[in-house]
Amino acid sequence: KQEVTQIPAALSVPEGENLVLNCSFTDSAIYNLQWFRQDPGKGLTSLLLIQSSQREQTSGRLNASLDKSSGRSTLYIAASQPGDSATYLCAILTGGGNKLTFGTGTQLKVEL
Amino acid sequence: DTAVSQTPKYLVTQMGNDKSIKCEQNLGHDTMYWYKQDSKKFLKIMFSYNNKELIINETVPNRFSPKSPDKAHLNLHINSLELGDSAVYFCASSHGDRRNEKLFFGSGTQLSVL
Repeated sequence: KQEVTQIPAALSVPEGENLVLNCSFTDSAIYNLQWFRQDPGKGLTSLLLIQSSQREQTSGRLNASLDKSSGRSTLYIAASQPGDSATYLCAILTGGGNKLTFGTGTQLKVEL
Repeated sequence: DTAVSQTPKYLVTQMGNDKSIKCEQNLGHDTMYWYKQDSKKFLKIMFSYNNKELIINETVPNRFSPKSPDKAHLNLHINSLELGDSAVYFCASSHGDRRNEKLFFGSGTQLSVL
């Protein structure tokens, strides 16, 4: 059974700081890994998707890496802004019917 | 146009009632999902449908019955609501291509059972 853990659970940083969010998973037999953003009272927005054969994906100030052998992924946010404040979730797609298993989330607050 | 829309956004009801949540996607996707987010913000899949056929049923009580009249719609009907059903329910959709299974989520339905 796939288990996904995210560290830290909460993070508060000053504006402009570069930061790293961590995601670890127990079963390396994955199809892909996705990072989502959730704003309060809203749905999830997909940020980056890394296929199992890839090592990283980049979109603007975001960079996500994947190391299947160690069961880890990181989301790097460069030059953080207050608008980046949200909960960030990683999710793993495994077999058995396209099941996406979500992590516990990291609540990020970027302060002025 | 909203890609994945679900209604209602808020639902407050008494224990024992029956309620439905509707979901529609205009992305032309083949696969639709229902997820439940509990009070600790943990998201867990409930159901998945591909072209109107059930492919995932994650040990959800049979009081929950999804219905997919066509591949653009996946509604969730809940019978005999219990206090523990209070949560935010998210609908989502995807193309169905496993390697590029990017999910698009609705904005959620906050269900409160009193």
